[in-house]
Amino acid sequence: ETGVTQTPRHLVMGMTNKKSLKCEQHLGHNAMYWYKQSAKKPLELMFVYSLEERVENNSVPSRFSPECPNSSHLFLHLHTLQPEDSALYLCASSQEYRATYGYTFGSGTRLTVV
Amino acid sequence: DAKTTQPPSMDCAEGRAANLPCNHSTISGNEYVYWYRQIHSQGPQYIIHGLKNNETNEMASLIITEDRKSSTLILPHATLRDTAVYYCIVRSWGSQGNLIFGKGTKLSVKP
Repeated sequence: ETGVTQTPRHLVMGMTNKKSLKCEQHLGHNAMYWYKQSAKKPLELMFVYSLEERVENNSVPSRFSPECPNSSHLFLHLHTLQPEDSALYLCASSQEYRATYGYTFGSGTRLTVV
Repeated sequence: DAKTTQPPSMDCAEGRAANLPCNHSTISGNEYVYWYRQIHSQGPQYIIHGLKNNETNEMASLIITEDRKSSTLILPHATLRDTAVYYCIVRSWGSQGNLIFGKGTKLSVKP
């Protein structure tokens, strides 16, 4: 275990479904991140939360909706996705936003949109 | 943040040292060099980071040239489990906290 837990590990959903990805960390970190990794493409930063407040949204379509109810949990709510949204979605956390410390990543959720 | 250049792939024999180069010729004075790796279908794993001095931990050593325009990650005794994509990232302290990943180097450790 890396300290950051993501569930589910795999998810298949239809384009009309609504689903949520969950991320949990008990490292005492104050910043959490969502990344997307499509096949053969670099990781793309989607959202950044610091102390439960969203501080960055990198031009992500509104069909992706993040939620950070407390400093240990981060969700990514999905609705009316497209097949091109199929990817590995990774959650990460760090001690502080804007810190030099390394990030701890979860193992990711492999999402397939059919 | 400065851009990095890495070879797309490298091979290494098991038990030998793996030396992964990274060019960051536009690095500025307050930018750190970070290394992560990603084993297939897993999340990236932090390895090491440094500013200008060489660094060593239980996983690897990081050698940064005096002009800071390039660095080398050294895995002293590579094992098959070190097969992964290795990312070199330059990021400034006090920036917007982002780690921007490039394409990295696919290291294949062979028996």
